[in-house]
Amino acid sequence: SQTIHQWPATLVQPVGSPLSLECTVEGTSNPNLYWYRQAAGRGLQLLFYSVGIGQISSEVPQNLSASRPQDRQFILSSKKLLLSDSGFYLCAWSWQYTEAFFGQGTRLTVV
Amino acid sequence: AQRVTQPEKLLSVFKGAPVELKCNYSYSGSPELFWYVQYSRQRLQLLLRHISRESIKGFTADLNKGETSFHLKKPFAQEEDSAMYYCAPTSSGNTPLVFGKGTRLSVIA
Repeated sequence: SQTIHQWPATLVQPVGSPLSLECTVEGTSNPNLYWYRQAAGRGLQLLFYSVGIGQISSEVPQNLSASRPQDRQFILSSKKLLLSDSGFYLCAWSWQYTEAFFGQGTRLTVV
Repeated sequence: AQRVTQPEKLLSVFKGAPVELKCNYSYSGSPELFWYVQYSRQRLQLLLRHISRESIKGFTADLNKGETSFHLKKPFAQEEDSAMYYCAPTSSGNTPLVFGKGTRLSVIA
């Protein structure tokens, strides 16, 4: 069966520090991968998605970037965090025409 | 392009009352739609998919092509139904998976 791991679960980082959130999927190959930010009243905002290694599409211009160095690994990064980057980040995977499966999420607080 | 709209951010109902969470879609082609649920302190997960026409935890959702809707319904709400609900189409080709803004359901005892 397929599983998705996302870490860390919580993170407190100072303004201006770098960020790296990692997501890995097991038990499948060539999944579509997604990073979302979930905010109260704003739902699930799609940040990045990837249909293959090295293929990243950005939905929202911002202080963040994403990379897919391996088929089942998706990384969300920032060189310098802003206060506005605080939020709840979700990684997900799907195949075409199927439902999505989500990680547990990372609560990021920038102080 | 696939788009879904959930017009209600918050829906409060009393326990035992019927509940309907609205979802309207804009879709070029044959839509494949899902409802997802996020209970407190749990990960977001699939609730049901329209293609299987199933009932999960008493919830059903019928695709109405005439009204372009996929509303989620339950005849008698329970307190444990309190959660965040999202409507979403499936991903296809290079089209990303984009969710509606979600509706928070609060069932009052």
